[in-house]
Amino acid sequence: KNQVEQSPQSLIILEGKNCTLQCNYTVSPFSNLRWYKQDTGRGPVSLTIMTFSENTKSNGRYTATLDADTKQSSLHITASQLSDSASYICVVSAGNSGGSNYKLTFGKGTLLTVNP
Amino acid sequence: DVKVTQSSRYLVKRTGEKVFLECVQDMDHENMFWYRQDPGLGLRLIYFSYDVKMKEKGDIPEGYSVSREKKERFSLILESASTNQTSMYLCASSWTGTGEQYFGPGTRLTVT
Repeated sequence: KNQVEQSPQSLIILEGKNCTLQCNYTVSPFSNLRWYKQDTGRGPVSLTIMTFSENTKSNGRYTATLDADTKQSSLHITASQLSDSASYICVVSAGNSGGSNYKLTFGKGTLLTVNP
Repeated sequence: DVKVTQSSRYLVKRTGEKVFLECVQDMDHENMFWYRQDPGLGLRLIYFSYDVKMKEKGDIPEGYSVSREKKERFSLILESASTNQTSMYLCASSWTGTGEQYFGPGTRLTVT
């Protein structure tokens, strides 16, 4: 069964600090991995997307890494801001991009709170 | 920018009512999806559609049906709402190929 596990479930940090969120997956065959940010009461918004051949992808202060051998990904947030407070969801796609790309497995998310 | 809109942000319905949730996307995406999101359970796929009038069941289709008469519009129908259908409902759309799904703002449905 395809699964995506995220850790920690929740995290509280002070503004300006860095943090790293983890994602482990058992999805086969692997197609790509995305990190989404979801503000409270809003829909998720994509931060990064990585395929098998990519091991790092940045989007501003967000840097995602992927280790396809160990089936792990991380999302590193640098110099956190109050607006980073949100749920971060790891999503893994199985199959090839032209076929079952819609078969996504979602993690349950990490709730990040950034305090002043 | 891709835009996915949902008909209501908040909705309160009574048990047994028929409920329609509407979703519209403006990017000519082939695929559209309905999810529900509950605390501790994450997003779960209810139904998806890969073309007009085509639909497939997701992981939790019981108690729901869908309709896609036009490419840009995907409706979720609760035939007889029950309290266990109180949840956040999220619509998404995507092209076939990239697979990246774009989400709407969500509808928080409360069934009393």
